[in-house]
Amino acid sequence: EIVMTQSPATLSVSPGERATLSCRASQSVSSNLAWYQQKPGQAPRLLIYGASTRATGIPARFSGSGSGTEFTLTISSLQSEDFAVYYCQRQPWTFGQGTKVEIK
Amino acid sequence: EVQLVESGGGLVQPGGSLRLSCAASGFTFSSYAMSWVRQAPGKGLEWVSAISGSGGSTYYADSVKGRFTISRDNSKNTLYLQMNSLRAEDTAVYYCAKDQSPLELGGSIDYWGQGTLVTVSS
Repeated sequence: EIVMTQSPATLSVSPGERATLSCRASQSVSSNLAWYQQKPGQAPRLLIYGASTRATGIPARFSGSGSGTEFTLTISSLQSEDFAVYYCQRQPWTFGQGTKVEIK
Repeated sequence: EVQLVESGGGLVQPGGSLRLSCAASGFTFSSYAMSWVRQAPGKGLEWVSAISGSGGSTYYADSVKGRFTISRDNSKNTLYLQMNSLRAEDTAVYYCAKDQSPLELGGSIDYWGQGTLVTVSS
């Protein structure tokens, strides 16, 4: 069973700063990785698929990178609406435990 | 516009059963694999089950295998999750979710329903 581990659990960032979130797979998942954003009381939203392709309508400040076992989601300049929980997901199906991005 | 609308959640006693439904619209339902993903209160996302577009292939998380059954009725554009032998740890919001790519099972999810809450408690 492939385990997805996200770090850190909580990231405190000031608006306008860069945020870097990590996701590690216990064995290679190639580029079969997606990132989702979830705000309180809402369903998740797809941000990135194929490790690095932005989903429709996702702003360019969101970028994904990595392959194999190490992946990164970068938010280049945090906006107020970006404070949320972010999940990585290996295809098929396995989610990481999430990283909460909070206001510093 | 793609819409996924779940129903059927509620309060059920341990050991009881519940059937969730998800009415889909805005896309060719039979062309896409569908999943159920749950989220316990204050916790992260957990994939529960998936089904191919034709309904011929189904997959389950170990935590629900043998207790939950996923199915679909492509003539009604509806996804189901039959949940039996429910436990307190099954308490969660259950989301219906659509795979992004047609004819691919287990890919990224591009649309989610609003979720339906299942509470297992005596």
